[in-house]
Amino acid sequence: DQQVKQNSPSLSVQEGRISILNCDYTNSMFDYFLWYKKYPAEGPTFLISISSIKDKNEDGRFTVFLNKSAKHLSLHIVPSQPGDSAVYFCAARPKTSYDKVIFGPGTSLSVIP
Amino acid sequence: DVKVTQSSRYLVKRTGEKVFLECVQDMDHENMFWYRQDPGLGLRLIYFSYDVKMKEKGDIPEGYSVSREKKERFSLILESASTNQTSMYLCASTVGTSGTYEQYFGPGTRLTVT
Repeated sequence: DQQVKQNSPSLSVQEGRISILNCDYTNSMFDYFLWYKKYPAEGPTFLISISSIKDKNEDGRFTVFLNKSAKHLSLHIVPSQPGDSAVYFCAARPKTSYDKVIFGPGTSLSVIP
Repeated sequence: DVKVTQSSRYLVKRTGEKVFLECVQDMDHENMFWYRQDPGLGLRLIYFSYDVKMKEKGDIPEGYSVSREKKERFSLILESASTNQTSMYLCASTVGTSGTYEQYFGPGTRLTVT
């Protein structure tokens, strides 16, 4: 049973608009959440993270929101650019896990010029 | 700048062969990880290591083993390759003490077993 879910396998957005990628989790013992971006034929790269004690973290065009009561987080990209087209993975860290995280299945974002 | 390198970008092996995938990181990171990535399944953890000669099984260790003789190097071994091990293999490392848990990934090895 997947503990980290990304229910939208793909998403298309017009350039300049907002992209919203969603992630749900089932384990209330997660204490840290991360988003990674992956281009084809490359390894994932870290994008942004949020601690479970916060509800928002912002870094330039990227903002992550955490709703602990709903066990839901979302990544907002504003404005979206064609270079943002990639697969986005949500990941969650269980407490005391040697930095081990659990990844979701990913959402493929296409930003249309 | 952290660099994680993997020995091969593409690899084609035959069923039953023993396969070695090498990963090297240059930032003295404590923790290293091996994942496989398959469509619709995301990244699944095969094994990880939190110190030299220390290893722990991840979620899908069957058919794999690992070796960490030096801090910078973490090897994944497929004892007898099978077609269901055709996948993208990704190595990653983390500092272990930063508190941010950010993983640094290598470029991946696309393994095809025929």
